Amino acid sequence: NAGVTQTPKFRVLKTGQSMTLLCAQDMNHEYMYWYRQDPGMGLRLIHYSVGEGTTAKGEVPDGYNVSRLKKQNFLLGLESAAPSQTSVYFCASTKGRANTEAFFGQGTRLTVV
Amino acid sequence: AQTVTQSQPEMSVQEAETVTLSCTYDTSESDYYLFWYKQPPSRQMILVIRQEAYKQQNATENRFSVNFQKAAKSFSLKISDSQLGDAAMYFCAYRSPNSGNTPLVFGKGTRLSVIA
Repeated sequence: NAGVTQTPKFRVLKTGQSMTLLCAQDMNHEYMYWYRQDPGMGLRLIHYSVGEGTTAKGEVPDGYNVSRLKKQNFLLGLESAAPSQTSVYFCASTKGRANTEAFFGQGTRLTVV
Repeated sequence: AQTVTQSQPEMSVQEAETVTLSCTYDTSESDYYLFWYKQPPSRQMILVIRQEAYKQQNATENRFSVNFQKAAKSFSLKISDSQLGDAAMYFCAYRSPNSGNTPLVFGKGTRLSVIA
């Protein structure tokens, strides 16, 4: 059971380039989330999805887009990368009930130069 | 909106000693869920312990226990018999039960060092 898998683990982009981060979960979870982690800021929610075909904005959505075409996959896109998007990105998934554990991917370290 | 505050950016503890990490939160809800996550240098987020607000009994998981003070909106984590492997970032998190889709709200984290 792989849990939550993020691809890629590391990436360096030039300013203005685009890329897509892939999150895949094999636990049949309804809910999926993208967070970014910056030093001294904790984890901040970018976007989330409550089911296939649905997405919603989180705390820091600007500059990012997401899609959930399949239940098991949640994609995070950067259309025109900026140095301010240098961060570690985490995907997470949960079942429906609020007291259940959130499972996290291993993170993607993105550097925009 | 709910907020989670961890007032200690860094803490240190001697091996085999006990340390307490602080967490406070702000909410108008009466029922909710609280979590502590550990993030070692590997970056993996690991659930340490969870607490349901309607339960008066403090949660315990081996050497990890919480002091949940609902009226004070405080949720501290106590680590007993600290080990070198406990060195990590620790995040306190809140989740609302009002709809199952609500995300976790995290504090900014406390970096714990364990001194041999």
